[in-house]
Amino acid sequence: SQTIHQWPATLVQPVGSPLSLECTVEGTSNPNLYWYRQAAGRGLQLLFYSVGIGQISSEVPQNLSASRPQDRQFILSSKKLLLSDSGFYLCAWRDGGTGNTGELFFGEGSRLTVL
Amino acid sequence: GESVGLHLPTLSVQEGDNSIINCAYSNSASDYFIWYKQESGKGPQFIIDIRSNMDKRQGQRVTVLLNKTVKHLSLQIAATQPGDSAVYFCAENMDQTGANNLFFGTGTRLTVIP
Repeated sequence: SQTIHQWPATLVQPVGSPLSLECTVEGTSNPNLYWYRQAAGRGLQLLFYSVGIGQISSEVPQNLSASRPQDRQFILSSKKLLLSDSGFYLCAWRDGGTGNTGELFFGEGSRLTVL
Repeated sequence: GESVGLHLPTLSVQEGDNSIINCAYSNSASDYFIWYKQESGKGPQFIIDIRSNMDKRQGQRVTVLLNKTVKHLSLQIAATQPGDSAVYFCAENMDQTGANNLFFGTGTRLTVIP
């Protein structure tokens, strides 16, 4: 069966410090991978998606970047965190391929607090 | 871009009653919709989905209705239980370069009163 792991679960970082959130998927190949952010009491905002190794698409301009060094690994990074980067970050995967719909499977989330 | 929105941010229901959560979408080209449930501090979990060639789909205690004429989606939960208390999101599938991506509404918080 497929699983998705995301870490760390909780992170408190000072403004201006770097960030690295990691996500790995097991039990599937060539998944589409996603990073969403959820501000307190808000919906899920799509940040990045990837349809293959090294292929990253950004949905919104921001202080964050994403990378996909391996087929089932997706990393969310920042060189210098801002207060506004605080939130609940969710990694997700879906069966790959263009034109594909179907369920999006989420990780358990990483709560980032920037002080 | 087009967005998915919800009519009500909060909903309180008595245990055992039926719940109806509504969602409006604006992209008439969307061909697939999903409802997710999110408990506090956790990732969203799939509840039920529906394709645009259908107007109704039933699961266990849940029913999703799709009205393409008015671009409206609803989730009905029968005999609501305390464990149903959570935030519910609708999402629509949009075709983007190289991928079909899901875009989520703001969410409705459902509180079940024992």
